[in-house]
Amino acid sequence: TQLLEQSPQFLSIQEGENLTVYCNSSSVFSSLQWYRQEPGEGPVLLVTVVTGGEVKKLKRLTFQFGDARKDSSLHITAAQPGDTGLYLCAGSSGAGSYQLTFGKGTKLSVIP
Amino acid sequence: NAGVTQTPKFQVLKTGQSMTLQCAQDMNHEYMSWYRQDPGMGLRLIHYSVGAGITDQGEVPNGYNVSRSTTEDFPLRLLSAAPSQTSVYFCASSRTGHEAFFGQGTRLTVV
Repeated sequence: TQLLEQSPQFLSIQEGENLTVYCNSSSVFSSLQWYRQEPGEGPVLLVTVVTGGEVKKLKRLTFQFGDARKDSSLHITAAQPGDTGLYLCAGSSGAGSYQLTFGKGTKLSVIP
Repeated sequence: NAGVTQTPKFQVLKTGQSMTLQCAQDMNHEYMSWYRQDPGMGLRLIHYSVGAGITDQGEVPNGYNVSRSTTEDFPLRLLSAAPSQTSVYFCASSRTGHEAFFGQGTRLTVV
């Protein structure tokens, strides 16, 4: 069974601070995604990374896929209250299946 | 563009009752899946489909059935509801099988 561990579980920071969320596994994934979920809503896809070492930027969010394709990180620069939410990472095993493995999430609160 | 639509949004069932959670997508995606989300457990895969007529079990399939007669629809059936099935259920679809576009969810309570 593939597992994804996210850390930290909870994060409360002041507006303007930087933060990094980690997603780690002992398994190799063909791709890895990051989602953000707000209360009462479904998760929304932020990014997909597929190549080991890949770095993608989405405005103030920077996503990195580990060289060995077992881990990933999400870095937010100058956090804003609108960044508040549950951040989930998920890995795809590929190979014609559709079994995504999700981490348990990091709950981020950005205080104005 | 509606994306993934789930109905109902909320449902209360008595133990032993059966019901079907509906999921429809209008993006012509081949891949569809059902997850349940519970506090402290994250999102867990119930069943998934890689195309019309093809379904398979995920991590927690017991007590649930699915079918995929069309590309658009992927209903989830609870055969005999139990309090352990109280959860938030999400349907998702994908074009590539590498990501998930989620619906708004169905909050189910079994009493």
